Amino acid sequence: DAGVIQSPRHEVTEMGQEVTLRCKPISGHDYLFWYRQTMMRGLELLIYFNNNVPIDDSGMPEDRFSAKMPNASFSNLKIQPSEPRDSAVYFCASSFRDYGYTFGSGTRLTVV
Amino acid sequence: GENVEQHPSTLSVQEGDSAVIKCTYSDSASNYFPWYKQELGKRPQLIIDIRSNVGEKKDQRIAVTLNKTAKHFSLHITETQPEDSAVYFCAASIKNNDMRFGAGTRLTVKP
Repeated sequence: DAGVIQSPRHEVTEMGQEVTLRCKPISGHDYLFWYRQTMMRGLELLIYFNNNVPIDDSGMPEDRFSAKMPNASFSNLKIQPSEPRDSAVYFCASSFRDYGYTFGSGTRLTVV
Repeated sequence: GENVEQHPSTLSVQEGDSAVIKCTYSDSASNYFPWYKQELGKRPQLIIDIRSNVGEKKDQRIAVTLNKTAKHFSLHITETQPEDSAVYFCAASIKNNDMRFGAGTRLTVKP
C-alpha cells in the first residue's frame, strides 16, 4: 500500500483565493482525520470522518473551512476565502478501527 | 474535551544516555495513548502505543509506561542515538477517535 496520499505537497496562493487540499486514505481504513500543524498551536484536529460520515467538526476554525468525504477513497478540505493566518501544514491521517493513525506527507500551505 | 500536557518542550542528551518525556491527560475515559516521532519536514510516525489495560510496553530501546490513577504516561528511550533526534508527540483518545496531541518535545541527541 502506498500509504496515505496527500496532494499537493506545497501550495502557495494569494489571500482571498479558494484552496483545495486532497487526501486518499489507506484502502480499508474506516477513519479519516484532518489535522493542522503550526509552531504556535501544534497539531490541531480539524475534523474526522467514520465510514465517510463527518463525526466531529468542532475543530474547524471558521465557516471558511469545509471538508467532505464523498467516498471511502477520497476526502478534500477547502478553504474559501483563504487568509494568511491559514498558512500551516495540513495533515490527513487514516486508521482502521482503534489502531494507530497513519499520516500522509502533508500539504504545506502558504497564503500571501 | 481531552487536554494533553507534555514536558519538557526541549530535551538535549548525550549519545548513549536515556531520554524521558512525560505527558498528562485530563479525561479519565481516555484509553489509548500513542507516541509519534516527527523528523524535520516529515510526517508524524507512530513509534509505540499503549492501551489502558496495560501498565508498560517495551519495543527494543523504546518503552512507554502508563499510570491511570495519576493520568500520566511517559516515553523512555534508552541508549539514545543521533538518529533519535526529532520532535516527539504524545496523544490520548478514547479508542482511536478524536485524538488530542501534546505540544511536542524536541529531542536532540548530541554525538
